[in-house]
Amino acid sequence: EAQVTQNPRYLITVTGKKLTVTCSQNMNHEYMSWYRQDPGLGLRQIYYSMNVEVTDKGDVPEGYKVSRKEKRNFPLILESPSPNQTSLYFCASSSQPLSGNTIYFGEGSWLTVV
Amino acid sequence: GENVEQHPSTLSVQEGDSAVIKCTYSDSASNYFPWYKQELGKGPQLIIDIRSNVGEKKDQRIAVTLNKTAKHFSLHITETQPEDSAVYFCAASKEGAQKLVFGQGTRLTINP
Repeated sequence: EAQVTQNPRYLITVTGKKLTVTCSQNMNHEYMSWYRQDPGLGLRQIYYSMNVEVTDKGDVPEGYKVSRKEKRNFPLILESPSPNQTSLYFCASSSQPLSGNTIYFGEGSWLTVV
Repeated sequence: GENVEQHPSTLSVQEGDSAVIKCTYSDSASNYFPWYKQELGKGPQLIIDIRSNVGEKKDQRIAVTLNKTAKHFSLHITETQPEDSAVYFCAASKEGAQKLVFGQGTRLTINP
């Protein structure tokens, strides 16, 4: 079954405590991306990756890092989380080219920073 | 860059009636317009998409129309059912783009 798997699904953490949200896809997709979803703002792209070792900033990259050492994995790293990073996060993957191909989303990770 | 506006933000319809959600986009180079449905506790899932070389596409009770001149596209759901209740997102993309630009989302509620 085609899947994008994120972990953890729910997390409450404290300001400044580094955390990593993992993402894995089993579809051999080149493209992976992270989005955050906030009320009234829709889905905004944080970072994306065209392939292994190729990553680039999206629209809201501040406070986040990513890495793409393997094709299937694309972890999102919050080095020093702050309350404004409280959000619902989605990992996504797709074949290339992006335009015209279905983007598959994970089930989301609810992150609360207190 | 591209900007996508989606309306309404909430929509409530009686079961069996039709629902229409509208989006406008700003970049005339955009040529791919998908619609995603997000059920409670799940990630968004593609339900229908349209390319700029066609004006309308239909899949059973769901249809999408595109007006390139006016730069807007719409999702039409006919004979609505309770399972249609969800948040719907429109999006736009163009050749070579590395992201979809999403609208703000519409929370659709189907009342029995």
